[in-house]
Amino acid sequence: DAGVIQSPRHEVTEMGQEVTLRCKPISGHNSLFWYRQTMMRGLELLIYFNNNVPIDDSGMPEDRFSAKMPNASFSTLKIQPSEPRDSAVYFCASSLTGETGYTFGSGTRLTVV
Amino acid sequence: GEDVEQSLFLSVREGDSSVINCTYTDSSSTYLYWYKQEPGAGLQLLTYIFSNMDMKQDQRLTVLLNKKDKHLSLRIADTQTGDSAIYFCAENQAGTALIFGKGTTLSVSS
Repeated sequence: DAGVIQSPRHEVTEMGQEVTLRCKPISGHNSLFWYRQTMMRGLELLIYFNNNVPIDDSGMPEDRFSAKMPNASFSTLKIQPSEPRDSAVYFCASSLTGETGYTFGSGTRLTVV
Repeated sequence: GEDVEQSLFLSVREGDSSVINCTYTDSSSTYLYWYKQEPGAGLQLLTYIFSNMDMKQDQRLTVLLNKKDKHLSLRIADTQTGDSAIYFCAENQAGTALIFGKGTTLSVSS
């Protein structure tokens, strides 16, 4: 398996633009997590899905952020409109119920200028 | 809410032992984890321990859990320059998402 695949690896965008981050979890995994990493706040859980259903989105910062999981092999995290304070590394991770630990993707480094 | 705290930096010499400490607040934690992050990469699961265990050893890694004090540590024996990375402590209960500390940057000098 190629692991959790995130795209793009790097994204630079102007303030006010829409940004879409993509994630393909490991085949067979039924939980998917979006985390944001910054120096100041460390790793923050934004949202997680179980069997494609959002379970906890309390970490989503505000209405500008939205996440979808239309099927078991794909998820998106969208920011509209983007702001400079959204600059961070966004990680996607997946897991299988009953197994411990997550598998993380390599992350998307987002820079909003 | 739940909180996980770690010291931010640790510097050791090659060949010495490294001990990275972590405290957590959720007494209901079922699993506790150590993850490693190398520059430009995602997090890699190093090891984990169930809350009913006191110690787990895996080659150069030793995890100690003091459940009474809610204290978790990771000892790396014979630390190598390749061990330089950020180490994250994390906890969760079964069926809930992992809560991470802010990470400890380990710097190994030769």
